[in-house]
Amino acid sequence: QLVLTQSPSASASLGASVKLTCTLTSGHSSYAIAWLQQQPEKGPRYLMKVNSDGSHSKGDGIPDRFSGSSSGAERYLTISSLQSEDEADYYCQTWGTGIRWVFGGGTKLTVL
Amino acid sequence: EVQLVESGGDLVQPGGSLRLSCAASGFTFSGYWMNWVRQAPGKGLEWVANINEDGSEKYYVDSVKGRFTISRDNAKNSLYLQMNSLRAEDTAVYYCVVVVAAGYWGQGTLVTVSS
Repeated sequence: QLVLTQSPSASASLGASVKLTCTLTSGHSSYAIAWLQQQPEKGPRYLMKVNSDGSHSKGDGIPDRFSGSSSGAERYLTISSLQSEDEADYYCQTWGTGIRWVFGGGTKLTVL
Repeated sequence: EVQLVESGGDLVQPGGSLRLSCAASGFTFSGYWMNWVRQAPGKGLEWVANINEDGSEKYYVDSVKGRFTISRDNAKNSLYLQMNSLRAEDTAVYYCVVVVAAGYWGQGTLVTVSS
């Protein structure tokens, strides 16, 4: 059964960079995932899709500070030049249409 | 611009029913799978159900099978979720979601199941 695992929390300083990780269960390392951002008291916002080869495609209006990458069963979201508005919950989800989506538990990012 | 606007959320007693709606615009509604995703207070995201382009295929998370029904009206560009036999654990914000190259989410509608 596919499970997406995320660390519950992360923190980094204003202006620094942070790399969030989403780990797919064994046997599912070829799956693409999507990253979502949920700012406090708001609905989720699509950031990007990340493929197993590390290529990624961002949603409209997503700043260049956000990028995606992959290594084996791990999918990454890197945010550079952290800003206060980046403080949010970040979720990964299985990507595709016509499938039962699975979500990771989310990572709460604190900007110090 | 893709827009999804949910409505129909309310306070309902356990065992009651509710029908959620999602009005879609900015894309060819009849050409895409549609999804419902929910988020309980202070919790993470949970996929609830999806439906294919013409409504002939529907899938549900196990916890709502037999109680919830997803449907769509392509003439009205609308998605629905009929929720019966509601339980306290169904309390959540319900989001309508579509993948049109990128993912698009509505603002959500709150369902509260409580006596």
